[in-house]
Amino acid sequence: DGGITQSPKYLFRKEGQNVTLSCEQNLNHDAMYWYRQDPGQGLRLIYYSQIVNDFQKGDIAEGYSVSREKKESFPLTVTSAQKNPTAFYLCASTGTGGPQPQHFGDGTRLSIL
Amino acid sequence: GESVGLHLPTLSVQEGDNSIINCAYSNSASDYFIWYKQESGKGPQFIIDIRSNMDKRQGQRVTVLLNKTVKHLSLQIAATQPGDSAVYFCAENMTGRRALTFGSGTRLQVQP
Repeated sequence: DGGITQSPKYLFRKEGQNVTLSCEQNLNHDAMYWYRQDPGQGLRLIYYSQIVNDFQKGDIAEGYSVSREKKESFPLTVTSAQKNPTAFYLCASTGTGGPQPQHFGDGTRLSIL
Repeated sequence: GESVGLHLPTLSVQEGDNSIINCAYSNSASDYFIWYKQESGKGPQFIIDIRSNMDKRQGQRVTVLLNKTVKHLSLQIAATQPGDSAVYFCAENMTGRRALTFGSGTRLQVQP
């Protein structure tokens, strides 16, 4: 089945450590997104990429970095500069050619040790 | 800034009843709206969408209504089932922007 795969499902970060969250899609979508979700809240946009080798900051990009070297992959790095990284991270993708819904993975829950 | 919000944080209904979840948006330039369902520990699941040139769209047991005059969006679920229990989010697409803006969500609890 086509879809979006996020890994790992749970991740723990130590102080001063960078961690990378994986997002892979086999939907042949051009655009990919990273969102952060805090308990009882909606999704906030971290970064998005509309095409390979190009990406833009979202509303809360500070302390995060991304790359888009392949169409299928859009990894997110949570750097040590992100002082409050504990959250549920969601990756999404969408095709081009007019308004259409984003498809989501099942998320990675990041916690601090 | 402009945002999408919800009127009710929690909605409790009896199994078999109809549910109505509301959403207000503030950006009159938004031209595309989506409803998502999110179960605990999972990613949002697409339910139904609607474009701004429509007032109503129906799916299986669900209907989305769009009132552009008052910038209001609603999701109606017919014959609500226990499996409908989840958090529901509305989201909007702002013209010229490829990313969605999400509301804070409404938790739907279905009582047996």
